[in-house]
Amino acid sequence: KAGVTQTPRYLIKTRGQQVTLSCSPISGHRSVSWYQQTPGQGLQFLFEYFSETQRNKGNFPGRFSGRQFSNSRSEMNVSTLELGDSALYLCASSLSDFVSYEQYFGPGTRLTVT
Amino acid sequence: AQSVTQLGSHVSVSEGALVLLRCNYSSSVPPYLFWYVQYPNQGLQLLLKYTTGATLVKGINGFEAEFKKSETSFHLTKPSAHMSDAAEYFCAVSGGETSGSRLTFGEGTQLTVNP
Repeated sequence: KAGVTQTPRYLIKTRGQQVTLSCSPISGHRSVSWYQQTPGQGLQFLFEYFSETQRNKGNFPGRFSGRQFSNSRSEMNVSTLELGDSALYLCASSLSDFVSYEQYFGPGTRLTVT
Repeated sequence: AQSVTQLGSHVSVSEGALVLLRCNYSSSVPPYLFWYVQYPNQGLQLLLKYTTGATLVKGINGFEAEFKKSETSFHLTKPSAHMSDAAEYFCAVSGGETSGSRLTFGEGTQLTVNP
């Protein structure tokens, strides 16, 4: 089975711009979660989508949003970028079948805001 | 609410020595516990998990961890370190059914393996 894929892998944006990141989960996985990883704050949960609905949300400002499509692929959008948004953004997918709870991570998108 | 504390942001061992990475958790519901490894410029790879049942769990690459409820711990061990084990390791907790797939991570432990 193919793993979780994320595109693009690297991105450079300017303050004030917006960005969209994409994630394709493992085939059959219905849940997609997004995490932000920075040296200062570590790994922080952004949000989770299940069956096209946001099921869980972390403590991030409204500039961070996401969505999930009917094929379980997910996108994450950040508007009005700030320097502090520079981070590795990781997507994870899981079966979410109340039997197995592990999440499988993609390679991440490295976002640099200048 | 859930939290994870990893004791020691940096651990250094010699090749062939025991690896012990410490993790303590706090959870208001029965925890589901995970260890992940991250190599430079890569995502996270699942090493092992504890959900229910046997408290000693075995994972990939020779790693294992023991869930100790009384000590709220889930320490990761490997009997003999290999150079390829050098990476950053993250302990994580979720509430299973009560919190969906949301993971709360510790701050990570950077493992260095010396020849």
